[in-house]
Amino acid sequence: QQPVQSPQAVILREGEDAVINCSSSKALYSVHWYRQKHGEAPVFLMILLKGGEQKGHEKISASFNEKKQQSSLYLTASQLSYSGTYFCGTEIGRDSGAGSYQLTFGKGTKLSVIP
Amino acid sequence: DGGITQSPKYLFRKEGQNVTLSCEQNLNHDAMYWYRQDPGQGLRLIYYSQIVNDFQKGDIAEGYSVSREKKESFPLTVTSAQKNPTAFYLCASSMFPTGAPSYFGPGTRLLVL
Repeated sequence: QQPVQSPQAVILREGEDAVINCSSSKALYSVHWYRQKHGEAPVFLMILLKGGEQKGHEKISASFNEKKQQSSLYLTASQLSYSGTYFCGTEIGRDSGAGSYQLTFGKGTKLSVIP
Repeated sequence: DGGITQSPKYLFRKEGQNVTLSCEQNLNHDAMYWYRQDPGQGLRLIYYSQIVNDFQKGDIAEGYSVSREKKESFPLTVTSAQKNPTAFYLCASSMFPTGAPSYFGPGTRLLVL
């Protein structure tokens, strides 16, 4: 039930782009993305509800492919401040069409941006 | 400023001892959560509460207990039944109708002596 994130780690130079994927074997109601810097609490980035919408946050955006039960996080023109571990949290949908109110988190993708 | 406070930042537990981790929020959120994070792992849900005087077990509730007597407070007790309590504990609250956490506290790192 835990979503699978890929890649596990990625190193970028400033200005490069990256894509982080989050896949589930279950039908999803929503996907949430967080960034956590070392020793700190996770920070919420964005939520995507089923419907295949794409959202953006500065130069970070995400999409949700309901058919594939997959979400992708896009980081464009990366900055040093983007370094950290990115987690996706997936919420399974109920038969009623509502969400389950519980998130299951992936193991994270460690992103390192170097000058 | 609104937010979540957790105390203490570091906590040491002796064998057989119960310890309580504090979590307070002034965001006026109904839902609150406790997560456990181990190195190299994602967050795992211990307990959550969607309303005062009500809470539900998460995936790893064994060895833990909570209370929700006030909207602002959601303390977590790590009991002696939790045999491997060393971890980073995160409290969170939510403004979403989906109930997923939107704000996290700074965390408490629990170590066993």
